Amino acid sequence: EAQVTQNPRYLITVTGKKLTVTCSQNMNHEYMSWYRQDPGLGLRQIYYSMNVEVTDKGDVPEGYKVSRKEKRNFPLILESPSPNQTSLYFCASSLHGAGTEAFFGQGTRLTVV
Amino acid sequence: GDSVTQMEGPVTLSEEAFLTINCTYTATGYPSLFWYVQYPGEGLQLLLKATKADDKGSNKGFEATYRKETTSFHLEKGSVQVSDSAVYFCALSVTYGQNFVFGPGTRLSVLP
Repeated sequence: EAQVTQNPRYLITVTGKKLTVTCSQNMNHEYMSWYRQDPGLGLRQIYYSMNVEVTDKGDVPEGYKVSRKEKRNFPLILESPSPNQTSLYFCASSLHGAGTEAFFGQGTRLTVV
Repeated sequence: GDSVTQMEGPVTLSEEAFLTINCTYTATGYPSLFWYVQYPGEGLQLLLKATKADDKGSNKGFEATYRKETTSFHLEKGSVQVSDSAVYFCALSVTYGQNFVFGPGTRLSVLP
């Protein structure tokens, strides 16, 4: 089954404790991206990757890091989480960029206290 | 920059009512347009899409027509069901780099 898998689904952590949210897709897609969803703000792109070892900043990259060492995986790293990073995070992948359907993961609800 | 505007809602309708959710966009190129739906506790799923002017996307009774002259992509359904209760996102994709730009989402509640 074609899918994008994120882990964990729920996470509560403390300020400053490094964490990684994993994302994996099984569709051999080139393009992957991370979004955060906040009430009243919709989805905002954090980082994206057009292929292995190619990543770039989205609209709200501050406080986040990503890597793309393999085509299927695109982890999101918070080196020193802060309460303003409490949000719902989604990973997405698509075959190419413009015009192709994006497939989304189930989401990771992160709370930073 | 590229942007999407849509009515934020919430929209509350009775079962079998007619639905319209307005969506307009601003883009420098020739975008593809999408409607995504998010059911409670789930990720976004593609509902329908249109890739060029005058195309009509349709799925599950929902329709939207790509209107280049009015830069719009309004979502319609003739008779909503309780199971259509969800958040609906209008989105465009024009540049290879940043891929999708989403609207703020419209929450739809359908009452029996």
